[in-house]
Amino acid sequence: KNEVEQSPQNLTAQEGEFITINCSYSVGISALHWLQQHPGGGIVSLFMLSSGKKKHGRLIATINIQEKHSSLHITASHPRDSAVYICAVLRYGGSQGNLIFGKGTKLSVKP
Amino acid sequence: DTAVSQTPKYLVTQMGNDKSIKCEQNLGHDTMYWYKQDSKKFLKIMFSYNNKELIINETVPNRFSPKSPDKAHLNLHINSLELGDSAVYFCASRYQGAPYGYTFGSGTRLTVV
Repeated sequence: KNEVEQSPQNLTAQEGEFITINCSYSVGISALHWLQQHPGGGIVSLFMLSSGKKKHGRLIATINIQEKHSSLHITASHPRDSAVYICAVLRYGGSQGNLIFGKGTKLSVKP
Repeated sequence: DTAVSQTPKYLVTQMGNDKSIKCEQNLGHDTMYWYKQDSKKFLKIMFSYNNKELIINETVPNRFSPKSPDKAHLNLHINSLELGDSAVYFCASRYQGAPYGYTFGSGTRLTVV
């Protein structure tokens, strides 16, 4: 079993819908990252969290350290949000910031 | 532009060849990484390196070797390429201890034929 599990694996939404992507992990972590990979392949770092909640535009990321769970929310989704969203954790005490990745959630937002 | 830049973007080569992928960052970051994304889009760490230490993922074959001429560069050398090496390779960098994330290169799609 992967140390980082994401759900759902695939998600199709209509434009304007509120979207939630979940990430659970089984190791102690010092930080959790949400990444976005566009169809063209490039990877962008969206958030780095160690506690609480962060917001950037229509994106909100939350983390519950006790429950080892994080969520990424997208409000008022738009077709340009279509991408693969990847959760990655930095294991506590892990060497040199090596990330452990989830398998990604493929989001498709239809107009 | 401030960025992590990788070259080449695409690389097609025959089995048995030796090839290199270059990575440069001008962000002043102190740590650089190589990640491999397989055909199922799963990312895995290969190496991390700062000016003090090289950490190698033990699952990486020793045909792969990182070379860092200076803090801004971490190149990936691959000897005796195999079909299973076909993947997308991403370089990334960050500043250790900074409260923000990683900056990724745009990836190099390696195809071994």
